[in-house]
Amino acid sequence: EDKVVQSPLSLVVHEGDTVTLNCSYEVTNFRSLLWYKQEKKAPTFLFMLTSSGIEKKSGRLSSILDKKELFSILNITATQTGDSAIYLCAVGGSGTYKYIFGTGTRLKVLA
Amino acid sequence: NAGVTQTPKFQVLKTGQSMTLQCAQDMNHEYMSWYRQDPGMGLRLIHYSVGAGITDQGEVPNGYNVSRSTTEDFPLRLLSAAPSQTSVYFCASSYGPGNMNTEAFFGQGTRLTVV
Repeated sequence: EDKVVQSPLSLVVHEGDTVTLNCSYEVTNFRSLLWYKQEKKAPTFLFMLTSSGIEKKSGRLSSILDKKELFSILNITATQTGDSAIYLCAVGGSGTYKYIFGTGTRLKVLA
Repeated sequence: NAGVTQTPKFQVLKTGQSMTLQCAQDMNHEYMSWYRQDPGMGLRLIHYSVGAGITDQGEVPNGYNVSRSTTEDFPLRLLSAAPSQTSVYFCASSYGPGNMNTEAFFGQGTRLTVV
């Protein structure tokens, strides 16, 4: 059965800290991995990863995929209170449009 | 840009009542899906559609029906509401054949409470 596991489930840090969020997966014929940020409402798209070893960056956020070890990490440097959110990882398999979501990591950044 | 529009935003139902959650997208996306989000459970796929006239079940389809008569609309029907269906529901859409590696765009969600 396909599954996506995120860790940690929750995390509390102080502003300025660096955090690393993990996403491991078991999906038949991997196609792509997506990261989303969810604040109060709809998830908003952060990154899509399809190839191993290629880092995607957007400001203080970056992500990388390891298709051999079946995981991805999302790094946030110099965290701010506005980074407080649930971070979701989703994985899609080849031949299907479906994405399987992990349970998310709830990040709280304290001022 | 409207994107994905869900209505209503909030709804309270009594056990046994039926209702339809509406979802519309204006991006000409072929793939649309419904998820429910419960605490500690992440997003779970209820039903999805790869185009008008084509629907299929996801992980948790029981108690829900869908139809896709047009590319734009993908309503979710609760046949006989149960307290276990209390959840936040999200509709999502993305591109279809020829472009599978695109992100899903989400609606703003419907918070449903069944009493």
